[in-house]
Amino acid sequence: DIQMTQSPSTLSASVGDRVTITCRASHSINNWLAWYQQKPGKAPNLLIYKASILQSGVPSRFSGSGSGTQFTLTISSLQPDDFATYYCQQYDSYSLLTFGGGTKVEIK
Amino acid sequence: EVQLVQSGAEVKKPGESLKISCKATGYSFMFYWIAWVRQMPGKGLEWMGIIYPSDSDTRYSPSFQGQVTISADKSISTAYLQWSSLKASDTAMYYCVRHEADTGSDYWGQGTLVTVSS
Repeated sequence: DIQMTQSPSTLSASVGDRVTITCRASHSINNWLAWYQQKPGKAPNLLIYKASILQSGVPSRFSGSGSGTQFTLTISSLQPDDFATYYCQQYDSYSLLTFGGGTKVEIK
Repeated sequence: EVQLVQSGAEVKKPGESLKISCKATGYSFMFYWIAWVRQMPGKGLEWMGIIYPSDSDTRYSPSFQGQVTISADKSISTAYLQWSSLKASDTAMYYCVRHEADTGSDYWGQGTLVTVSS
């Protein structure tokens, strides 16, 4: 089974900050990595797929990079609407599509 | 417009059975995987399993194998998640998700809150 380790689990930042979240896979998943944003009381929302492709409608301040086992989500300039929890998910194997543990982005 | 509309919140007692639903509209239901994701109160997302409605190919996370059953009815574009005997630890929000090979989990249902309490 592929394990996904996401860090940090909590991040305190200010509006305008550049924020980076990391996700590491226990085995290579090529580029089959997605990032989701979840706000309290809402379903998650797809931000990035195939490691670096921005989902339609997602602001360009979000970007993703990486391949193999190491991936990052970057928010270039944090906005008030971005305070939320972020999850990575590998979808290399349809037998088990694992999520990372999540990163809560809080106001500093 | 793609939509996944889930059935309403449920309150059940331990040992009771339950089947929740996810109605898909706006796309060809048969040809996209549908997954179920659990979120326990205050916790992260857990992938439970997935079904391909066209041929009912179903895979389960080892953590949920034998604990739940995932099914789909192509004729009414609806996927299901069911329990035969609920436990208090099944209390959670459950999401159905359309999964596409390239884009991942691109559309999510609104969630069904299941509360199991005596």
